[in-house]
Amino acid sequence: DGGITQSPKYLFRKEGQNVTLSCEQNLNHDAMYWYRQDPGQGLRLIYYSQIVNDFQKGDIAEGYSVSREKKESFPLTVTSAQKNPTAFYLCASSAGQGATEAFFGQGTRLTVV
Amino acid sequence: KQEVTQIPAALSVPEGENLVLNCSFTDSAIYNLQWFRQDPGKGLTSLLLIQSSQREQTSGRLNASLDKSSGRSTLYIAASQPGDSATYLCAVSPIYNQGGKLIFGQGTELSVKP
Repeated sequence: DGGITQSPKYLFRKEGQNVTLSCEQNLNHDAMYWYRQDPGQGLRLIYYSQIVNDFQKGDIAEGYSVSREKKESFPLTVTSAQKNPTAFYLCASSAGQGATEAFFGQGTRLTVV
Repeated sequence: KQEVTQIPAALSVPEGENLVLNCSFTDSAIYNLQWFRQDPGKGLTSLLLIQSSQREQTSGRLNASLDKSSGRSTLYIAASQPGDSATYLCAVSPIYNQGGKLIFGQGTELSVKP
């Protein structure tokens, strides 16, 4: 089945710890995105990548880092610099910018303990 | 700055009723508008994509319309079922945007009662 796979589904982070969220797609899409979803705030863009080895900051990139070494993979690292990381994280992909349909993974819920 | 608003925030209807969800946006310079469904604790499922040159799209019991000049879109659900209960999100892809970024509304939480 073609789609986007996010793992893990649930993740717990201790104070001061870095954690990495995985996102893999087999849709052969060029563009990939990370969004954060908080209750009452909708989805906000963290980082995006339009091509391998290139990525740009979104609206709330502080405290996050990404890499795009392969077309299929776009992992997100939540660093200790992110002061309020508890949220639902969604990865998406599309064939390219603009007029193409976006598809989303099932999300990772990150909780600080 | 593009802003997307969805009204109402929550809606409860009896099974079998036809219903309309509303989405408005402030800047008509968009590539497309997309409607999504989100079940609790799950990701987003794409329902319908309307390109800026289109007026409507249909899929089964769902029909979405787009009036770009007035900055409005509606999602019509015919003969609602309890399985339609979910949060519905609309999102626009602005022409002058960051590489395909979507701007989302806050969503409408729909509950269909048996």
